[in-house]
Amino acid sequence: DQQVKQNSPSLSVQEGRISILNCDYTNSMFDYFLWYKKYPAEGPTFLISISSIKDKNEDGRFTVFLNKSAKHLSLHIVPSQPGDSAVYFCAASLGGSQGNLIFGKGTKLSVKP
Amino acid sequence: DTGVSQDPRHKITKRGQNVTFRCDPISEHNRLYWYRQTLGQGPEFLTYFQNEAQLEKSRLLSDRFSAERPKGSFSTLEIQRTEQGDSAMYLCASSLVGAGEKLFFGSGTQLSVL
Repeated sequence: DQQVKQNSPSLSVQEGRISILNCDYTNSMFDYFLWYKKYPAEGPTFLISISSIKDKNEDGRFTVFLNKSAKHLSLHIVPSQPGDSAVYFCAASLGGSQGNLIFGKGTKLSVKP
Repeated sequence: DTGVSQDPRHKITKRGQNVTFRCDPISEHNRLYWYRQTLGQGPEFLTYFQNEAQLEKSRLLSDRFSAERPKGSFSTLEIQRTEQGDSAMYLCASSLVGAGEKLFFGSGTQLSVL
């Protein structure tokens, strides 16, 4: 039973356009959400996060939106650059004493020049 | 900040052999996590430590797996009697309690069981 779902295995966008990566979750007790980026043969690197008490968080070209009623979050990258090509993982946390993150299966983003 | 360090980067072993991986977290971080990732999947939680105490273990962590963090610094993950299904990337991460939910990952150890 997958609590964090990324239903699009891959996404291809043109350089300069917007990339939108989606994530759905089933556990309403999650209180923190994160996006990680992963290049081949490297570990995931933190990109951006959002608390469940917010609906938007922005950091440069990256914005995460949270819709709690729909149990849905999305990552927007504007403008997309070829260096953004990687696998993006959505992760969720129950917070408090629950230390671990629960990850989705990832979406492979390809940004074409 | 030297980041999370994992050793070795790659390990090839024969089925039935024992293997041990090492993780050195970011020095001031008191939480250390082990995850496993297979092709096409996201990282799956195995276990985590706060200082030297192992606080949580996943159902994925069979009795062939054991993890230690003896002095609250580095950690080891041992797999006994390896099976082909153990082939995966083993990721270590660390974090600082009270500094948010962000985990910092190492580059992983790629295990291949022949």
